[in-house]
Amino acid sequence: GAVVSQHPSRVICKSGTSVKIECRSLDFQATTMFWYRQFPKQSLMLMATSNEGSKATYEQGVEKDKFLINHASLTLSTLTVTSAHPEDSSFYICSAQDLVGNTEAFFGQGTRLTVV
Amino acid sequence: DQQVKQNSPSLSVQEGRISILNCDYTNSMFDYFLWYKKYPAEGPTFLISISSIKDKNEDGRFTVFLNKSAKHLSLHIVPSQPGDSAVYFCAASARAGGGADGLTFGKGTHLIIQP
Repeated sequence: GAVVSQHPSRVICKSGTSVKIECRSLDFQATTMFWYRQFPKQSLMLMATSNEGSKATYEQGVEKDKFLINHASLTLSTLTVTSAHPEDSSFYICSAQDLVGNTEAFFGQGTRLTVV
Repeated sequence: DQQVKQNSPSLSVQEGRISILNCDYTNSMFDYFLWYKKYPAEGPTFLISISSIKDKNEDGRFTVFLNKSAKHLSLHIVPSQPGDSAVYFCAASARAGGGADGLTFGKGTHLIIQP
């Protein structure tokens, strides 16, 4: 299947700093990328949808100024958690989809963020 | 409000037997359903999907059944193998409206295959 690479897999940062997470589709062009967050023993919750070259669409309750999403190319989307706080500690996962070919969504490996 | 529900947090099945994982949904706009398998600290891996125009889809050991009237779907794995031990997520989306739509996930069921 298609490969989606997410980096870093694990990051620890100090409260108040910003963290950038990258999501790359390695062997296909991803017209749409999705960012999810998973808290322990909870389901994956969609945070935002990003389409290449346009602004991301955020789900209700997700602060767009705190979770900055950039989808500058068909193979790369980034999520920046700004001014991180301990409550932002979570497992963040991206997925990429090529809607032109109507493929399934393929997921990255996820990023475990710990804010101390 | 949980739109996709997996009411069994865990399920233990003997190797070689059938594993049946269940999923219920409430949103009648959902028309496409997927099952993902997830190992700890990894992203979900796509397993199998089904469109609402079908009631069954089969791929090797994996079969997904959809009962639209009951808003219920199930994943059957037969025969179950030790490598099937993982968390299984049911997910749904509304594709008929066109365009991209993020997936709505259930909380997952931890399947444990006993030797």
